[in-house]
Amino acid sequence: DQQVKQNSPSLSVQEGRISILNCDYTNSMFDYFLWYKKYPAEGPTFLISISSIKDKNEDGRFTVFLNKSAKHLSLHIVPSQPGDSAVYFCAALQGGSEKLVFGKGMKLTVNP
Amino acid sequence: NAGVTQTPKFQVLKTGQSMTLQCAQDMNHEYMSWYRQDPGMGLRLIHYSVGAGITDQGEVPNGYNVSRSTTEDFPLRLLSAAPSQTSVYFCASRSGQVGEKLFFGSGTQLSVL
Repeated sequence: DQQVKQNSPSLSVQEGRISILNCDYTNSMFDYFLWYKKYPAEGPTFLISISSIKDKNEDGRFTVFLNKSAKHLSLHIVPSQPGDSAVYFCAALQGGSEKLVFGKGMKLTVNP
Repeated sequence: NAGVTQTPKFQVLKTGQSMTLQCAQDMNHEYMSWYRQDPGMGLRLIHYSVGAGITDQGEVPNGYNVSRSTTEDFPLRLLSAAPSQTSVYFCASRSGQVGEKLFFGSGTQLSVL
């Protein structure tokens, strides 16, 4: 039973446009959310996170939005660059737990 | 600045063979973990450790053993490899409180024939 869902397996956008990656979760006890980026043949790298006490967190071109009532979060990349082409994983953590739960990932392709 | 180092990068085993995937970190992180990545399944937690001498099971622990004798090392043992264990394995570590970002190794591609 997938607790963190990334329902779209892929997304293709043009360079300079906005990329919006979505993530839904089913466990209402999750209170911390993270996004990781993964290039082929490399390990995932941390991108941005958000606590459930916030509804938005920004870091340069990357913004994560959290809608707790909908159990939904999204990652916005503006402007998108070809180097952003990678697989993006959404992950969630329940307070007091050591177990980070990942979604299946979404492949983003940014075309020049 | 090595970070998290995994060896080997590639391994082919026959069904029933045993082996150990090595993981070492040089960041003095207390928390270490092992994940496996399968197509269409994302990353799934196998085992984790919150410090030397302390380990616990993740989501998919069956068929794997771990131990943590030092802060730096967290090996993953396959006792009797099965084709279902064909996967890419990632080791990760972090410091500080729960929720701190994980640092991942570059992975081990394991094939069990």
